[in-house]
Amino acid sequence: TQLLEQSPQFLSIQEGENLTVYCNSSSVFSSLQWYRQEPGEGPVLLVTVVTGGEVKKLKRLTFQFGDARKDSSLHITAAQPGDTGLYLCAGAGGGSNYKLTFGKGTLLTVNP
Amino acid sequence: EAQVTQNPRYLITVTGKKLTVTCSQNMNHEYMSWYRQDPGLGLRQIYYSMNVEVTDKGDVPEGYKVSRKEKRNFPLILESPSPNQTSLYFCASARPGVGGYTFGSGTRLTVV
Repeated sequence: TQLLEQSPQFLSIQEGENLTVYCNSSSVFSSLQWYRQEPGEGPVLLVTVVTGGEVKKLKRLTFQFGDARKDSSLHITAAQPGDTGLYLCAGAGGGSNYKLTFGKGTLLTVNP
Repeated sequence: EAQVTQNPRYLITVTGKKLTVTCSQNMNHEYMSWYRQDPGLGLRQIYYSMNVEVTDKGDVPEGYKVSRKEKRNFPLILESPSPNQTSLYFCASARPGVGGYTFGSGTRLTVV
């Protein structure tokens, strides 16, 4: 069974601070995705990374896929209250079931 | 608008009373899946479908059934709900190998 460990589980910061969320596994994934979930809603895809070492930027968010395709990180620069939410990483195994294995998430609160 | 529609959003029912949660997508996606989300356990896959008439068990299928008679619809059936099926349920769809999942807004089910 493929597992994804996310850290930290909870993060409360002030507006303007930077933060990094980590997603680690002992398994290799064909791709890794990051989602953000707001209360009462379903997760929304932020980015997919496919190539080991790949870095993608989405405004103030920077996503990196580890060289060995086992881990990933999400860095947010100058966090804003609108960034508040549950951040989930999810790995695709590449098998016949297009299954995503989800981490348990990092609950981020950005205080004004 | 591309979306996955789940109904109902909220449901309170009694133990043993059969219920169906509907899921429909308008993106012509081949792949559809059901997840449940529980505190401390994250998102866990219940069932998935690779295409019409092709369904298979995920990680936590006990007590659930699904069907895929049409490409757009993937209902989740609880024949005899029990309190341990109280959870937040999400339907998702995807085109395998292209991008990520599109999630519905969720169904909060309470079984008393």
